[in-house]
Amino acid sequence: GAGVSQTPSNKVTEKGKYVELRCDPISGHTALYWYRQSLGQGPEFLIYFQGTGAADDSGLPNDRFFAVRPEGSVSTLKIQRTERGDSAMYLCATQQDRGDNEQFFGPGTRLTVL
Amino acid sequence: AQSVTQLGSHVSVSEGALVLLRCNYSSSVPPYLFWYVQYPNQGLQLLLKYTSAATLVKGINGFEAEFKKSETSFHLTKPSAHMSDAAEYFCAVRASGGYQKVTFGTGTKLQVIP
Repeated sequence: GAGVSQTPSNKVTEKGKYVELRCDPISGHTALYWYRQSLGQGPEFLIYFQGTGAADDSGLPNDRFFAVRPEGSVSTLKIQRTERGDSAMYLCATQQDRGDNEQFFGPGTRLTVL
Repeated sequence: AQSVTQLGSHVSVSEGALVLLRCNYSSSVPPYLFWYVQYPNQGLQLLLKYTSAATLVKGINGFEAEFKKSETSFHLTKPSAHMSDAAEYFCAVRASGGYQKVTFGTGTKLQVIP
């Protein structure tokens, strides 16, 4: 497709459940980022992939959060034992290569944990 | 480390009036600076970027920003506000060179009054 896509657009789950959020990057973009945006805040960095490997995961808040990008394209953000505080918009952004300046953002997945 | 401070979480202007959204940055190395716009329930769209070339940067939709090193500022302006400019605006900073994490401000919500 033309842009970054994220699915689902909305996810409602119960506390303690497991969720997966998917990001489809722009074709050919090697760099992929996940951000979390809480209400009234700017996006906060979670993790960065260069190709298949997580080059920087320093933003993941704890070990309940994990992300993969097995073939260097689609990425999945996984959250175990969800908590109400995980409720936020999760944004994915991709970049053509590691030195490029512009990140292209997807529309986000709004996660609500009841 | 880099950070940005956006002064004013909400700004209201009349249609046709000057738009001024303030951003101050902190960076220990030469920064790259960005302004993004976010419409409700959408991802972020890049308005403009400063990457150490011209200090006055022109972006899309008639917006521009000036990098002022002495003031550590990168304020966003538009001479005449349009109703369609109502959105949330985020200033962001990263260090120059290769892969560098982007840090976002907390955002400024722009209201345009008819």
